[in-house]
Amino acid sequence: DAGVTQSPTHLIKTRGQQVTLRCSPKSGHDTVSWYQQALGQGPQFIFQYYEEEERQRGNFPDRFSGHQFPNYSSELNVNALLLGDSALYLCASSSGTGAHGYTFGSGTRLTVV
Amino acid sequence: AQKVTQAQTEISVVEKEDVTLDCVYETRDTTYYLFWYKQPPSGELVFLIRRNSFDEQNEISGRYSWNFQKSTSSFNFTITASQVVDSAVYFCALSEHTSGTYKYIFGTGTRLKVLA
Repeated sequence: DAGVTQSPTHLIKTRGQQVTLRCSPKSGHDTVSWYQQALGQGPQFIFQYYEEEERQRGNFPDRFSGHQFPNYSSELNVNALLLGDSALYLCASSSGTGAHGYTFGSGTRLTVV
Repeated sequence: AQKVTQAQTEISVVEKEDVTLDCVYETRDTTYYLFWYKQPPSGELVFLIRRNSFDEQNEISGRYSWNFQKSTSSFNFTITASQVVDSAVYFCALSEHTSGTYKYIFGTGTRLKVLA
């Protein structure tokens, strides 16, 4: 049973560019959340998707957007990249509200130069 | 505001020593969940435990144990007889319930180094 799968594992982009990160949730899970983890910090909540809609959003600018597909997979898009966007981006999936815990993927390491 | 504090940035111990990782939280919710996750160098957050705010019983799972004290808003994690494989960053997290769903507030993590 595959857990949460994220792609790509590593990515290098130039300031001002746009990037798309992808996530396939654990089998049986229908909710996907995205977190940003800067070096030496704890993960910060970006947003959560359920039934193809953004259900909750953290304190991130509109440059960060997402999408959820009918098969529950999800994408995170970041426009106009800044150096400060360099981080590990973690996808987490759960069933329903997430009260019972999330399963996290290994993340995508984004470096903006 | 919801907040999780892990005051210990880094801890080094020698193999077989016991080690306790501290976690203090702040929340306005009456019902909440607390979690501990382990993050090895691979980056994946590995779930260790979930605790409901109404359940203050301590829990032991093998070499791991957790001490939840609502009176002091603490949820500490002890590893008994540590092993080199326990080396990782450990995160304490608090659930925040908003709009019918939960998101996590993470602490800044404690890096544990277990030396052979």
